[in-house]
Amino acid sequence: GAVVSQHPSWVICKSGTSVKIECRSLDFQATTMFWYRQFPKQSLMLMATSNEGSKATYEQGVEKDKFLINHASLTLSTLTVTSAHPEDSSFYICSARPPTGRTEQYFGPGTRLTVT
Amino acid sequence: GQQLNQSPQSMFIQEGEDVSMNCTSSSIFNTWLWYKQDPGEGPVLLIALYKAGELTSNGRLTAQFGITRKDSFLNISASIPSDVGIYFCAGRSQGGSEKLVFGKGTKLTVNP
Repeated sequence: GAVVSQHPSWVICKSGTSVKIECRSLDFQATTMFWYRQFPKQSLMLMATSNEGSKATYEQGVEKDKFLINHASLTLSTLTVTSAHPEDSSFYICSARPPTGRTEQYFGPGTRLTVT
Repeated sequence: GQQLNQSPQSMFIQEGEDVSMNCTSSSIFNTWLWYKQDPGEGPVLLIALYKAGELTSNGRLTAQFGITRKDSFLNISASIPSDVGIYFCAGRSQGGSEKLVFGKGTKLTVNP
């Protein structure tokens, strides 16, 4: 149980275009999902907390107009990188928290974004 | 933002050896989690700890929630080549939001 998927697993896009990444909880409903960014050889950096049916909460320094998050259902959250630039190239990982009242988060397999 | 101090940063061991790594925090945590991440993959939850003093095993892995609530350790016994990867500790601070704070990771290399 507690399986989280991401799509796509990798994407290459041109500078100035937008890219959408999907995060799905496959066998549980998640009222809360999280989006992280990870640079090579570094730890995970939380970008935002996605709450079903309400606006996402962004971490300090993360541009909400650039990284659009939509948590439209209890099993799906999307991250859209708008007007992508090469510095947005990174590994984006989502996680979901089961509604068990506990804290553990289950992570998706990640999406490698390369902006050319 | 708040970070956990995770050590060691990297380890090179022989197959069959035991491994120990730990995390410390300057503030009290009410949850400690240990994850393993393989290259190009998302982290996989290994062990979750919720009570001070709690000692939990998952196969060859054992983790403990420190009595002071400011530290946790992970032990791997009789390491095998597939244990290779990066291990992250993560925690939730007492009174904090549901966000997790992550350590910087311990990179484990196992020589056959």
